[in-house]
Amino acid sequence: QKEVEQDPGPLSVPEGAIVSLNCTYSNSAFQYFMWYRQYSRKGPELLMYTYSSGNKEDGRFTAQVDKSSKYISLFIRDSQPSDSATYLCAVHNDMRFGAGTRLTVKP
Amino acid sequence: DAGVIQSPRHEVTEMGQEVTLRCKPISGHNSLFWYRQTMMRGLELLIYFNNNVPIDDSGMPEDRFSAKMPNASFSTLKIQPSEPRDSAVYFCASSLQRTGDTGELFFGEGSRLTVL
Repeated sequence: QKEVEQDPGPLSVPEGAIVSLNCTYSNSAFQYFMWYRQYSRKGPELLMYTYSSGNKEDGRFTAQVDKSSKYISLFIRDSQPSDSATYLCAVHNDMRFGAGTRLTVKP
Repeated sequence: DAGVIQSPRHEVTEMGQEVTLRCKPISGHNSLFWYRQTMMRGLELLIYFNNNVPIDDSGMPEDRFSAKMPNASFSTLKIQPSEPRDSAVYFCASSLQRTGDTGELFFGEGSRLTVL
C-alpha cells in the first residue's frame, strides 16, 4: 500500500464550479498535510498546508484534514481557467506524494 | 534569489548510455530530494539527503541509479546504463528541515529524459 493515495483523474469542470480533490493516507503519525500545484512543464509549488486536523482557508482554497478517517481534501470555490493544473497531495515529513489529479477548468 | 537549478533541461540519449543529471539547491537549505515523474507512476521519491548524507534511498529503482551530494551546493543523479523505461521528468527539490517546521519543498524546473 502506498503511503498516499490520490485519484489521478483527469477532472474537467466549467468555470465557476466548486472543485473537490481528495487523498487518503496510511500512517496515522503524519502531522503535516500539504497540497502542491503543478502547472504544465513546471515543478510543483506549495499551495497550502494544514497541521493535524481541521480546516484552513486561503481565498478560494480550503484544505481539510480528517485524521479519524485519514482523509485530506482540497476545495476550490469559483474555479477559474487559471486553476487548471495538476494538484498533488503530500504528507510530511514522509516527503511522498499522491499520484496528482489533473484539473481542467473550461471557460 | 535563485531557485533550485537543474541541468540539463532536456536530454535525449540512446539505450546503454550514461546519463548524469545535476542539481544546485537553494543556498542555506539542508535537505535535497530527487524525484521522478511519469504519467503512470506519478511523482516518486528516489532519494533524499540531509546535510549531504543520504537518508533514504529506498526509492532508487535499481543499481543502475546512483546519487551523490559531495557538498551543500551540488548533487548528481546518474543512470548507467540507461534504458527506455527510465524516460521521465526528473525533479530535484530542496528544503530547510527544522523541527516543528513544515519543510516546504522548492522544486527545480525538472530534467526531461528520453532514452531511445
